[in-house]
Parts: sequence; C-alpha cells; structure tokens
Amino acid sequence: GDSVTQMEGPVTLSEEAFLTINCTYTATGYPSLFWYVQYPGEGLQLLLKATKADDKGSNKGFEATYRKETTSFHLEKGSVQVSDSAVYFCALSVDTGGFKTIFGAGTRLFVKA
Amino acid sequence: GAGVSQSPRYKVAKRGQDVALRCDPISGHVSLFWYQQALGQGPEFLTYFQNEAQLDKSGLPSDRFFAERPEGSVSTLKIQRTQQEDSAVYLCASSLGVAGELFFGEGSRLTVL
Repeated sequence: GDSVTQMEGPVTLSEEAFLTINCTYTATGYPSLFWYVQYPGEGLQLLLKATKADDKGSNKGFEATYRKETTSFHLEKGSVQVSDSAVYFCALSVDTGGFKTIFGAGTRLFVKA
Repeated sequence: GAGVSQSPRYKVAKRGQDVALRCDPISGHVSLFWYQQALGQGPEFLTYFQNEAQLDKSGLPSDRFFAERPEGSVSTLKIQRTQQEDSAVYLCASSLGVAGELFFGEGSRLTVL
C-alpha cells in the first residue's frame, strides 16, 4: 500500500546549522507530496508542497524537491533557527476515489542557541 | 469561524463508555478528514467525507468507530465502548477538495482509563 518513511528523530542541531530530513515514499499512483510542521502546543500546518516530478516546494527558508526517480522528498534548510524547533511530517496525497493524505511518523527537531 | 474547531479538547472516559468528538470545519470546505495520532507517531487516516458523503472509511479500526457529517458541515466521530487502546489525539482536518492543503484543528485528546 501507499506509505511514507522518514528519518527517525530527534535531530539536534546548533543554530545556523544545515538541516536535512530524509523522506521516501511508496505510492501506486502519482502522488502530491507535502511537508507539514507541528510547533509546540499548536496544530499541524502545511509547510510546503510539490505536485509533480522535479517541482521544488519552498517556504520560510525550507525547500524540498519531488524526485520521482528516487521516490524521495527530502526537506532542507540552509541555516536553522531556534524557532524551527518542531516536529516535521512528510506526507503524500493520492486519488483513491477521493484524496487521502498519508503521513510519515514525524521527525522531531531541536535547535540549540 | 476562522479555523477548524474541535471539541472537547480533552476527554477522559472510563473503559466501556461511549464518546463523541465534534469537528467544525472551515466554512465552505468540501472535504473533511479524521485522523488518529498516537503519542510520538504520525497521524493515521481514519475516514474522509466529501460534503455529506463518506467516501472512505477504510481507516476506522473497528465497528466501534463511527463518523457522520449529515449536513455536509459539522462532523462527529463517535467511539462506542471505549478501550484503553483508543487513547490518542483525534485530529480533524478540512480542505477545499482535491489534493490540496489540509487545515487541521488542534485535536481532541482522549484518555481511556
């Protein structure tokens, strides 16, 4: 079945470090791909998305590129801030007669000052 | 309202009790989703509505779980004869439809004693 696998956390970085969170997927169709973020005490919110191969989603300095050949959608940021500390979820959406979004297990990021 | 509203935010139930969780989606959003999120895990899909039609209920874990959206707006997730393994955060999300952004509520945290 359709699934998302992302790197286990927690990931601990110092401020201004480079961030990569790996995400790979399995899908029978042609999915749209997403990264959602959950800040402490808040609900999940969309961070960025890409709907077709080679698209790059970007927001708040974060980027991810839809790689169909490697079925990946890795999240990157060049210089993290303490305020980026959160849980990050990779997700895909496929048409199963309606659109269902499937989430990975989440990766917790801690950024130290 | 401006966002997705869920109630109650917290619910403690004794094993065997029935519970009802309410979701009020963003006005005009056609699609509504319920997810279950266990501690430290990603959201797991439960069911999906398009207007009042329940298009996919493949994620409901047992026949004790039932969801409805009779007028295509507010939705209720009902859990009968609660068990300890039902303890989780229940998330509701709405969207304009198709493979678009999901807007999440803050969740209802259910604890079954």
